[in-house]
Amino acid sequence: GQNIDQPTEMTATEGAIVQINCTYQTSGFNGLFWYQQHAGEAPTFLSYNVLDGLEEKGRFSSFLSRSKGYSYLLLKELQMKDSASYLCASSGYSTLTFGKGTMLLVSP
Amino acid sequence: DTGVSQNPRHKITKRGQNVTFRCDPISEHNRLYWYRQTLGQGPEFLTYFQNEAQLEKSRLLSDRFSAERPKGSFSTLEIQRTEQGDSAMYLCASSLAGGLAKNIQYFGAGTRLSVL
Repeated sequence: GQNIDQPTEMTATEGAIVQINCTYQTSGFNGLFWYQQHAGEAPTFLSYNVLDGLEEKGRFSSFLSRSKGYSYLLLKELQMKDSASYLCASSGYSTLTFGKGTMLLVSP
Repeated sequence: DTGVSQNPRHKITKRGQNVTFRCDPISEHNRLYWYRQTLGQGPEFLTYFQNEAQLEKSRLLSDRFSAERPKGSFSTLEIQRTEQGDSAMYLCASSLAGGLAKNIQYFGAGTRLSVL
C-alpha cells in the first residue's frame, strides 16, 4: 500500500513561509504530487517530484527524499488566497493515492 | 480547451434510485479517472480508462458502480440502487499516457451527490 500521512491543519500569517510535510510508504512508488484544493472546488496541480531534491516553481517549492519516504511543500510569501487544503499524492504506475489533505489557514 | 467538464454539478436522489454522471476530459487526453471524495478526506481512486479500455478498478468499488468510456472520449459513471453512504463528491480527472510528466492529472469541478 501507499499510506500517506500529512498534518490535518496548519495556520500561518500573511507574508510568512510555511512547510507542509508528507510521508508515504515506498513500495511501488513512482513519484510524488502536490495539489491545492479550495473548498468546493476541484484539486489543481501544483508540482511533482520524481527524483530526490527540490523543485521550485515561483512561490511554491516541493522536496522529495525517496529513501526516507518523505516530501514537503514549501509556500513562500503567503497570501490570503493560499488558504486551502493541500493534498499530497503518491503515484504508482498510473494512479494516485491521496492523503487526507492539510488545511492551511492564512491570517492577516 | 475549457478543461475537464462534469455534469451535473449537483444531484439529489432518493435511496434506491439509480444515478448517472458524465465527464468530458481535456480533448487530447487519453486517460480518464474517477475518484470519490468525502468531507475531510482526499480523493479516493475508483477506476481509470486508457482510451476506451477500463484498465483498473479499486477493490473497494462496489458492484453497484459501473463506468464506461465507449468511444474513448467522454465517460459515464453509474451508481445503481444508491445508498446514503454513496453521498460524496465524484471527481473526474484526465491525463496523457506516458512518463510521469505526461501523467499529471487535471480534475473537473466534480458532481456532488446527496442521497436522501
